Amino acid sequence: EVQLVESGGALVQPGGSLRLSCAASGFTFSIYAMTWVRQAPGKGLEWVSAAGGSGSSTFYADSVKGRFTVSRDNSKNMLYLQLNSLRAEDTAVYYCVKFRGSPNYYNYHMDVWGNGTTVTVSS
Amino acid sequence: QFVLTQPPSVSGAPGQTVTISCSGSSSNIGSGYDVNWYQQLPGAAPKILIYVNTNRPSGVPDRFSGSKSGTSASLAITGLQAEDEAEYYCQSYDSSRSGWVFGGGTKLTVL
Repeated sequence: EVQLVESGGALVQPGGSLRLSCAASGFTFSIYAMTWVRQAPGKGLEWVSAAGGSGSSTFYADSVKGRFTVSRDNSKNMLYLQLNSLRAEDTAVYYCVKFRGSPNYYNYHMDVWGNGTTVTVSS
Repeated sequence: QFVLTQPPSVSGAPGQTVTISCSGSSSNIGSGYDVNWYQQLPGAAPKILIYVNTNRPSGVPDRFSGSKSGTSASLAITGLQAEDEAEYYCQSYDSSRSGWVFGGGTKLTVL
């Protein structure tokens, strides 16, 4: 069974840092691009960041560029998101999501979602 | 705020058909990028409902169908059931933002 389990969410002060982790199982992790999507309380979905299968290609939404860093350890089937310089507007449930699709990354779809981990930025 | 525009809410009685629209632009849907649809049940994570415009993953009832034309896409749900009450999101890629984008979501209420 394909499974994604996020961890690392916490209450953190503005300006603080956090590292989210995502443990993947049930599929060949290294051949799939992965992505993070967040959802603020009572709001819609927002794409945050993505990493290609090898981790050498990374992508970021403008709202987090320069503050967040995505990485992966294919030997451990793990995806990470380092969150720095956190702001109140970063408060959200962060979902780890598996990409699937055509060779062209822009036509990927998000076929498996984790249950999310909650990040709260507040003093 | 959202690059893709969806109606905030739609409703229908059991057995009826509802359609949820997703309006984009020349930098996303209009450029030929695929549209995908996700269903988020209350208190749950989203799940893929329709991928590559019209395709249903295994396990998704054929009451759900997707279409795409020009700069827009639509999700149709026929034979509405109480269990369909959820939030629905469209998603595509946007070249001007160099990233994947979502619609604001549509809350479906089954009357």
